[in-house]
Amino acid sequence: NAGVTQTPKFQVLKTGQSMTLQCAQDMNHEYMSWYRQDPGMGLRLIHYSVGAGITDQGEVPNGYNVSRSTTEDFPLRLLSAAPSQTSVYFCASSYGQGGGITEAFFGQGTRLTVV
Amino acid sequence: AQSVTQLDSQVPVFEEAPVELRCNYSSSVSVYLFWYVQYPNQGLQLLLKYLSGSTLVESINGFEAEFNKSQTSFHLRKPSVHISDTAEYFCAVSERRDTDKLIFGTGTRLQVFP
Repeated sequence: NAGVTQTPKFQVLKTGQSMTLQCAQDMNHEYMSWYRQDPGMGLRLIHYSVGAGITDQGEVPNGYNVSRSTTEDFPLRLLSAAPSQTSVYFCASSYGQGGGITEAFFGQGTRLTVV
Repeated sequence: AQSVTQLDSQVPVFEEAPVELRCNYSSSVSVYLFWYVQYPNQGLQLLLKYLSGSTLVESINGFEAEFNKSQTSFHLRKPSVHISDTAEYFCAVSERRDTDKLIFGTGTRLQVFP
């Protein structure tokens, strides 16, 4: 039972490079989200999706793109990496129950450093 | 939109002492409430949640939280902490509507000393 799988676990990028963080879930959840975690700021929502083909912006979407072509996958793209995007990134997939998240399951995180 | 406030960024406590981690939320509609725990260099694990029913919810490792609608709070308590409870604790809220977002507080680092 894999749950939520994120790859890679660690990544170092140079300023201006692009990359995609992968996230896959095998629980058939409709809802998936990306967060970034920075010291003293908790987890901030970047983008989220309520189903295949549907995405929306969270609290800090600038510099990131997402797409949701299948229920299982929700990749996060950094278009032109900046040092301010150095962070730990978490993907989550969630149950919903008539509106609202009733439980979220998290991947192990991707530690990204932009130099 | 919903928001969460965790006023205490760090809570130092001695082993076997009681602890309370505070969480207040803001929302114009009904909510679901959660506490997640993150041990060093790990991901987030669900500790407990309030969806409906009894306002007092408990975890398997002795934590409890009480939903107080009038004070818009969901404080986390444990009567006697262990060294192994040292971790970061996050409060989170989801509104009961089709926004389907889970919003987190800034976290409280619980440090238990021997």
